[in-house]
Amino acid sequence: GQSLEQPSEVTAVEGAIVQINCTYQTSGFYGLSWYQQHDGGAPTFLSYNGLDGLEETGRFSSFLSRSDSYGYLLLQELQMKDSASYFCAVRDDSNYQLIWGAGTKLIIKP
Amino acid sequence: DAGVIQSPRHEVTEMGQEVTLRCKPISGHDYLFWYRQTMMRGLELLIYFNNNVPIDDSGMPEDRFSAKMPNASFSTLKIQPSEPRDSAVYFCASSLIGYSREDTQYFGPGTRLTVL
Repeated sequence: GQSLEQPSEVTAVEGAIVQINCTYQTSGFYGLSWYQQHDGGAPTFLSYNGLDGLEETGRFSSFLSRSDSYGYLLLQELQMKDSASYFCAVRDDSNYQLIWGAGTKLIIKP
Repeated sequence: DAGVIQSPRHEVTEMGQEVTLRCKPISGHDYLFWYRQTMMRGLELLIYFNNNVPIDDSGMPEDRFSAKMPNASFSTLKIQPSEPRDSAVYFCASSLIGYSREDTQYFGPGTRLTVL
């Protein structure tokens, strides 16, 4: 089967750094994506890793290790507006569609 | 661009009624996806289209669900008859090239469906 695992919930303090992990088990791999979804909103694209290493976009970074089937999303200088759910997703090589993790709810405390 | 447009934003109906959800993808996008999201099951892909043609409908829960895309700028998801377990948020998303490794899916605001 194909699956992605990520923690269901993570709590952090405003101004701190938090890491959300994602491990995947898929028959093929065409890159790891991260999406953010605020309560009542729609998922929006955050980042993509096609190759090993770190991708940085402002306060957000995403890392991928294909040999470990593992990636993470790193959020720095946390702000209250970062409170949301974060989904990792891998492209299915059989039909090129995204396989989604269950999402990690990030709770930020002042 | 206005982004992906969905209507209605909220729908409340009674069990047994027909429900039609509508979606207008981003102009020029080749792929259109219908998702359903619930607390219990998360985000589920129901069906997707490429150039108006349904490619994979294996996620459609049962025959009560049907989807069409009569042209590049419009798609519908119909539930008939509706049941309380269909209550969920239904998202439509579109992407420029479905097979691109860096392809991004753009989601509409969703339709929150409540079946009483």
